[in-house]
Amino acid sequence: DTGVSQNPRHKITKRGQNVTFRCDPISEHNRLYWYRQTLGQGPEFLTYFQNEAQLEKSRLLSDRFSAERPKGSFSTLEIQRTEQGDSAMYLCASSLGAGEDGYTFGSGTRLTVV
Amino acid sequence: GQQLNQSPQSMFIQEGEDVSMNCTSSSIFNTWLWYKQDPGEGPVLLIALYKAGELTSNGRLTAQFGITRKDSFLNISASIPSDVGIYFCAGQRVERGSSNTGKLIFGQGTTLQVKP
Repeated sequence: DTGVSQNPRHKITKRGQNVTFRCDPISEHNRLYWYRQTLGQGPEFLTYFQNEAQLEKSRLLSDRFSAERPKGSFSTLEIQRTEQGDSAMYLCASSLGAGEDGYTFGSGTRLTVV
Repeated sequence: GQQLNQSPQSMFIQEGEDVSMNCTSSSIFNTWLWYKQDPGEGPVLLIALYKAGELTSNGRLTAQFGITRKDSFLNISASIPSDVGIYFCAGQRVERGSSNTGKLIFGQGTTLQVKP
């Protein structure tokens, strides 16, 4: 297992376009998390899944954002009608259980909205 | 928004020096974690702390979970050039009567630069 994989690594898009990111967690991990990190800040929680169920969403996750985890495996994060303020690093992480031992992060997808 | 106050924001030190950084919160946490992030990569876990007063080492790194459960510190001894990066503290809190979501709250990070 090569860890948590995120694609693409970088995405440049024009304002108003839709984008979708993919995360492949560590295979035996039942929990998957999405975080957003802006320059000079720590990651901020967006949402998490336990298996295929989305159990919590941050108020940072506006109605333009949607996340799915079909069949409890990989997950996608879609942003519709992107805005310049959406420019950030989007990090995915996975854990077995509640991640008290700290979960494993992917390398992230860097989104730039121009 | 962020609830953890991490300091200092940045440090520029000479190779071989010891480093200390800390993290404080207005809220109690059940678990404290320290991560390191290299440019363009995700955070990598360094140390996890589970009990108030706990002192844990990982090689040249030592971290402590504060007695009040509202703070933690990380020390790096005898720094080397590969210690360069951004160090984040993160806390996990479980509300009484609730299940553990696993959600982490991160500090703003301490940027460490090491001069050879």
